[in-house]
Amino acid sequence: NAGVTQTPKFQVLKTGQSMTLQCAQDMNHNSMYWYRQDPGMGLRLIYYSASEGTTDKGEVPNGYNVSRLNKREFSLRLESAAPSQTSVYFCATSSENTGELFFGEGSRLTVL
Amino acid sequence: GENVEQHPSTLSVQEGDSAVIKCTYSDSASNYFPWYKQELGKRPQLIIDIRSNVGEKKDQRIAVTLNKTAKHFSLHITETQPEDSAVYFCAASITWEGQNFVFGPGTRLSVLP
Repeated sequence: NAGVTQTPKFQVLKTGQSMTLQCAQDMNHNSMYWYRQDPGMGLRLIYYSASEGTTDKGEVPNGYNVSRLNKREFSLRLESAAPSQTSVYFCATSSENTGELFFGEGSRLTVL
Repeated sequence: GENVEQHPSTLSVQEGDSAVIKCTYSDSASNYFPWYKQELGKRPQLIIDIRSNVGEKKDQRIAVTLNKTAKHFSLHITETQPEDSAVYFCAASITWEGQNFVFGPGTRLSVLP
């Protein structure tokens, strides 16, 4: 079992370019999340999906869109990247039984 | 909304000593408090959590204490080892559903040999 996998691991974009971060889980969890991690700011929730077919905004959704393609996959799209979106992005799922978050390996995005 | 503060931001201890990280939260409705450990370049992983119906929880060298009256909770690591070096994040939530988690800014712990 791979758990939570996300791609790409590294990406460099120019301002205004678009890209999609892909995430897939094989844990059969209903909930999936996208966080961003910036130095000194912890993990901040961008968007989440409590179940297939639903998505909701988190704390910092501006500049992002998401798609819950099916139960396994949850993608994050930057339509017009800005330098402020330079960050490390983590996809995660959570166990409905325990609340534990399971994170992917992270995607480091640099916007020039 | 919930606000979580975490102190200290960096902590250095000698191997074998104890380390304590403290978090305070603002929402008295919060009742789930997990701690995540993130080693350099790795993903965060849950190491211990506590729910508001208990005041303390232990797991080998790690313990968490909760004071709901004062709205703070702390992570205690005893007999620290080099592999304890990492960034530790606390979080507070009104439920254990991930969308409600509010994370602290993190503490970088260095265990010196």
